[in-house]
Amino acid sequence: EDKVVQSPLSLVVHEGDTVTLNCSYEVTNFRSLLWYKQEKKAPTFLFMLTSSGIEKKSGRLSSILDKKELSSILNITATQTGDSAIYLCAVVPPGGATNKLIFGTGTLLAVQP
Amino acid sequence: NAGVTQTPKFRVLKTGQSMTLLCAQDMNHEYMYWYRQDPGMGLRLIHYSVGEGTTAKGEVPDGYNVSRLKKQNFLLGLESAAPSQTSVYFCASSYSNGAYEQYFGPGTRLTVT
Repeated sequence: EDKVVQSPLSLVVHEGDTVTLNCSYEVTNFRSLLWYKQEKKAPTFLFMLTSSGIEKKSGRLSSILDKKELSSILNITATQTGDSAIYLCAVVPPGGATNKLIFGTGTLLAVQP
Repeated sequence: NAGVTQTPKFRVLKTGQSMTLLCAQDMNHEYMYWYRQDPGMGLRLIHYSVGEGTTAKGEVPDGYNVSRLKKQNFLLGLESAAPSQTSVYFCASSYSNGAYEQYFGPGTRLTVT
């Protein structure tokens, strides 16, 4: 069964800290991996990763995919209280023209002032 | 451009009652999805549609029905609500094959007593 696992489940940091969130997947021949940020309501898209070893960056957030290790990390540097959210990882499984996503359970990040 | 909208935002049902959740998108997306989000479970796919007039089952379809009579709308129905269907329901949409990013609505919080 295809599976996406995120760790840690939750963490609390202070403003200015750097955090690393992990996503590992058991999905053979997956197509892409996506990261979302979920604050109070709808998840919003952060990154999509398809190629191993190529870092995607947006401001203080960056992410990289390691297809050999079947994992991805999301880094947030100089955290701010506005980074507090659930961070979701999702994988696109192979086959079919449906764009279905398999989501992990998410990591709840709390940034304290 | 409203994006993806959902109605209602909140609803309380008694066991055995029925209801319909409405999702609408104005981005001319081909694909639409219904998810439920429960604590510790992440986002799980209920049903999805790859075009007007088509629907398919996702990971947790039991107890739900869907219809896509118009391209911009995707309806989720509960014929006989059960307490196990207490959850937050998210609708999402995406462009067609190869464009994996999904755009989410704000969610509907449903409580079944």
